[in-house]
Amino acid sequence: QQQVKQSPQSLIVQKGGISIINCAYENTAFDYFPWYQQFPGKGPALLIAIRPDVSEKKEGRFTISFNKSAKQFSLHIMDSQPGDSATYFCAASPDRGSTLGRLYFGRGTQLTVWP
Amino acid sequence: NAGVTQTPKFQVLKTGQSMTLQCAQDMNHEYMSWYRQDPGMGLRLIHYSVGAGITDQGEVPNGYNVSRSTTEDFPLRLLSAAPSQTSVYFCASSRRPIGGELFFGEGSRLTVL
Repeated sequence: QQQVKQSPQSLIVQKGGISIINCAYENTAFDYFPWYQQFPGKGPALLIAIRPDVSEKKEGRFTISFNKSAKQFSLHIMDSQPGDSATYFCAASPDRGSTLGRLYFGRGTQLTVWP
Repeated sequence: NAGVTQTPKFQVLKTGQSMTLQCAQDMNHEYMSWYRQDPGMGLRLIHYSVGAGITDQGEVPNGYNVSRSTTEDFPLRLLSAAPSQTSVYFCASSRRPIGGELFFGEGSRLTVL
């Protein structure tokens, strides 16, 4: 069973537009929500992460919005640029507790930003 | 700063052959893991290790073996390759298993004919 559901699978946005990727989870033990960015031929790299004590976190043009009651979180990319074209993965894990916990990834969103 | 180094970057195998994907990290991370990435399936955890001598299975462990004799190295062994194991494999490490940043290697693309 998929622990983290991500949508859409692919997204095409014009340069300067807003890209929005959504994720949902069921496990209430999750309290760490990172986003990873992957360029073609490279490994994923951490982009931004949020913990549920805040509803929003912004780093430059990238913002995570978090809705704890709905168990949903989303990535917003403002003023999208062609260099943002990549695959984006949301993920979730418990932040405390068992040292044998793990990170669960969504299936990814391939973002293409047209110039 | 080398980070996480994977070798080889590309490999073609015939069905039934065996091979080892190598992974090494120089960040003194206790946690290391192997993922496979397939189109539309995202990143799926194969095996992971929380320290030397300790390994455990992820969600897709069948057909793969791992061992962790040192903090730095975490090789992934395919004992008898099958076409279903054609994939891109990523090794990752972090300071702790959860709640921290995962550092990924650049991947190993494996084709099984």
